[in-house]
Amino acid sequence: GESVGLHLPTLSVQEGDNSIINCAYSNSASDYFIWYKQESGKGPQFIIDIRSNMDKRQGQRVTVLLNKTVKHLSLQIAATQPGDSAVYFCAEDIQGAQKLVFGQGTRLTINP
Amino acid sequence: NAGVMQNPRHLVRRRGQEARLRCSPMKGHSHVYWYRQLPEEGLKFMVYLQKENIIDESGMPKERFSAEFPKEGPSILRIQQVVRGDSAAYFCASSPRQGGRETQYFGPGTRLLVL
Repeated sequence: GESVGLHLPTLSVQEGDNSIINCAYSNSASDYFIWYKQESGKGPQFIIDIRSNMDKRQGQRVTVLLNKTVKHLSLQIAATQPGDSAVYFCAEDIQGAQKLVFGQGTRLTINP
Repeated sequence: NAGVMQNPRHLVRRRGQEARLRCSPMKGHSHVYWYRQLPEEGLKFMVYLQKENIIDESGMPKERFSAEFPKEGPSILRIQQVVRGDSAAYFCASSPRQGGRETQYFGPGTRLLVL
């Protein structure tokens, strides 16, 4: 079965609010995690990644948090904009195998 | 710098026909990966290739599916004698090299519909 999963399949937020998308994984050997954004009809777009020797990494308007104790990953998007509407996937790589394991995805919708 | 290119973007085949999906990696990238995505699901790894070499094909179905990445030209994912269950979006990704953690960059995908 999948070792990467998501708590919520859909998330609706108000424009301007912060969004938090969660992801759980079960393989303790996973040591590299990536968040991708996929818009309708397009391929996954890299957002941010984090290695297992870190617990937080920040990008432009996005932050990824990694809690290895409970095998939990989250993506925080600050000041959510309409262009952030998409499906967000977390993916994991196990010890450099370069064989990404994707979760099922969370659909983020923005309310005006 | 052009991104990963895939063609065709849409492909319709009848049961029993062959499907050929092509992927040109980003410039400077020598590693190619193929994934399959069913509607409302995440991507599933199929195969990882370098030029003229298959590194990991653990996600490929045992029959009818094959992949190659020749010395010259794009990577090809070939599906013989397609069945309706092969209908899906097929995505190719590329990365510069193995070693460390190389981000995989995805193409726009090929949507295969088997009638």
